[in-house]
Amino acid sequence: AQSVTQPDIHITVSEGASLELRCNYSYGATPYLFWYVQSPGQGLQLLLKYFSGDTLVQGIKGFEAEFKRSQSSFNLRKPSVHWSDAAEYFCAVGAGGATNKLIFGTGTLLAVQP
Amino acid sequence: NAGVTQTPKFRVLKTGQSMTLLCAQDMNHEYMYWYRQDPGMGLRLIHYSVGEGTTAKGEVPDGYNVSRLKKQNFLLGLESAAPSQTSVYFCASSDTIYNEQFFGPGTRLTVL
Repeated sequence: AQSVTQPDIHITVSEGASLELRCNYSYGATPYLFWYVQSPGQGLQLLLKYFSGDTLVQGIKGFEAEFKRSQSSFNLRKPSVHWSDAAEYFCAVGAGGATNKLIFGTGTLLAVQP
Repeated sequence: NAGVTQTPKFRVLKTGQSMTLLCAQDMNHEYMYWYRQDPGMGLRLIHYSVGEGTTAKGEVPDGYNVSRLKKQNFLLGLESAAPSQTSVYFCASSDTIYNEQFFGPGTRLTVL
């Protein structure tokens, strides 16, 4: 069965520092991968997605993610974090089939220190 | 475009009461989903629909029912609320297979 693991429950970085959030997935075929961000009290917003092709994917707000099949990973990165990036981040994998269901990780809560 | 909207935003119920959560989307999407979000558990799929008039069970369907009588609306019902159903509920929609899901702002439900 498909699954997503986000090993870091909580991360704190200083403003201006680089960021990498980890995501590992379990899926038998080529996965469809997503990163969403959730600000406090808000719904989820898509940051970026990977379906095929170039393994380095650019998203909104200066985020990027790299698909590494050999490591079953899809880590999210940002070179310089802003205070407004403080939020919860969710990695998700498409469950396949004709339903477009997503399997979500448990999320990583990002805090940004001034 | 309002996107995906949810009604109500907040609700407090007593154990055993019933209620319906309404999700509406104005993007003409075929697929719609109901999730619940609990601390440390991510989002779990309750029920989903792949088109008007269709519904199917997700990962945690017990205690919930759904209906999709109109393409733009997806209703989530709790017939007899239990404290274990205290959660934040999100609705989402998607237009095609393998495409992104668009999320509503959520409904925070407390069952006493």
